[in-house]
Amino acid sequence: AQTVTQSQPEMSVQEAETVTLSCTYDTSESNYYLFWYKQPPSRQMILVIRQEAYKQQNATENRFSVNFQKAAKSFSLKISDSQLGDTAMYFCAFMKSSGNSGYALNFGKGTSLLVTP
Amino acid sequence: DGGITQSPKYLFRKEGQNVTLSCEQNLNHDAMYWYRQDPGQGLRLIYYSQIVNDFQKGDIAEGYSVSREKKESFPLTVTSAQKNPTAFYLCASSPRGFFSGELFFGEGSRLTVL
Repeated sequence: AQTVTQSQPEMSVQEAETVTLSCTYDTSESNYYLFWYKQPPSRQMILVIRQEAYKQQNATENRFSVNFQKAAKSFSLKISDSQLGDTAMYFCAFMKSSGNSGYALNFGKGTSLLVTP
Repeated sequence: DGGITQSPKYLFRKEGQNVTLSCEQNLNHDAMYWYRQDPGQGLRLIYYSQIVNDFQKGDIAEGYSVSREKKESFPLTVTSAQKNPTAFYLCASSPRGFFSGELFFGEGSRLTVL
């Protein structure tokens, strides 16, 4: 079974600063996808960034980037130039294969990020 | 606009009653999912369906039931057998295929058992 661990329940960062959210996972599969989702106070889940395990290059989306360490099974999210609108719960997720029946995401417990003025 | 609609947004239920949460999508997605969210627990998979008339249990399916009679619809019934049903429920969909991965979520339904 795949597990996703987010060891930081809460974090805080000042506006314009950089913050890194940690995520580790456990799997025996060699090919998989990793994701960071954002859930703002409105509760609408939004995909932030996606990483394919077979790609060595770290994914980047504007101010969001990841540090993917496959051997260490680590997938951290870096938010640069933090903005007040980044305040949200952030979930790390692993896409697991469910065999012939299809695929589903396995989520961590989340990190609550507060961006302060 | 294309998207996922969950209803009702808030629901109150007495103990011992079954309740059905609606999830409709007009994205033409094959796959649909139900997750439960509790504080400090993240999102846990209840049921998912890859095609019409087929669905699979997730990690916490006990006390829940689903149907997938139409591609657009994936209702979730919380039965009286669910011991702790008070939670926030999220429905999601995705295009079918190994490399899809990205889930599109509804705005959620909050169920409170009185």
